[in-house]
Amino acid sequence: GAVVSQHPSWVICKSGTSVKIECRSLDFQATTMFWYRQFPKQSLMLMATSNEGSKATYEQGVEKDKFLINHASLTLSTLTVTSAHPEDSSFYICSAQWTSGSSAKNIQYFGAGTRLSVL
Amino acid sequence: SQQGEEDPQALSIQEGENATMNCSYKTSINNLQWYRQNSGRGLVHLILIRSNEREKHSGRLRVTLDTSKKSSSLLITASRAADTASYFCATDAIGTYKYIFGTGTRLKVLA
Repeated sequence: GAVVSQHPSWVICKSGTSVKIECRSLDFQATTMFWYRQFPKQSLMLMATSNEGSKATYEQGVEKDKFLINHASLTLSTLTVTSAHPEDSSFYICSAQWTSGSSAKNIQYFGAGTRLSVL
Repeated sequence: SQQGEEDPQALSIQEGENATMNCSYKTSINNLQWYRQNSGRGLVHLILIRSNEREKHSGRLRVTLDTSKKSSSLLITASRAADTASYFCATDAIGTYKYIFGTGTRLKVLA
C-alpha cells in the first residue's frame, strides 16, 4: 500500500506555544488530506479536509484559527496547533488519498500519528 | 452524527477462536474500510469493500457488506495473540470524499 509519513511522532510543549505537525505522502500525489483527532480509547474524529492549493474545510466545532491547516503541495500538508493548551493534548492522525475519476476508487492511507502533550 | 456504531465495544477470546465485529452506518456509501490500530499507534488499512461488493477475503480476514441493512462485519479466523488491537470501520458517504469512523471494537486475544 501507499506510504504516508507523519512527523513528529511525539511532541511535548509548554502551554502557549505553537506546534506544527507534518504529513507527507511518499509515493503518490495526495489530492486530499485529512486530519483527525483521537482521545484515549475513543474513535477518530475528523477535524478537517484539505485539498491541495485551497483552504481547508473544517468540521463543525473545530476552531480554524486554533488548528491551522496548509496543503501547499500534492505531497505535504501541515497542521499547526496555535497557542496550545493542556486540553489540546491528544493523538493527531493524518491521512492522504488521491481521487480518481470515479469516487468509488478512493482509498485513504494513514500516517502513524502524533502524540501531543501540552504541559 | 454520521459516526458509525460498532459492536461489540470490547471482545475477549482465546487464541484459535474466531472473532466477529459488526459495524452499522447511517447513510448510503461509496466504500467501507476496516482498519486496525494497536495501542497508541497509527492505523493500518485491512480491507476496502465497495458498495457494489458483498464479500471480500484477505488472508484470515473476511468482510461482508449488506447495504440494505447498512451494516458490515469483519471476521478474523483462527485468531492469534498478535491480533489484539482496536478495529475500526470507516465509511465515505455518497457525494463526499471523507471517511467517518465507527466507535471501534477492542479485541483481546488470550494466549
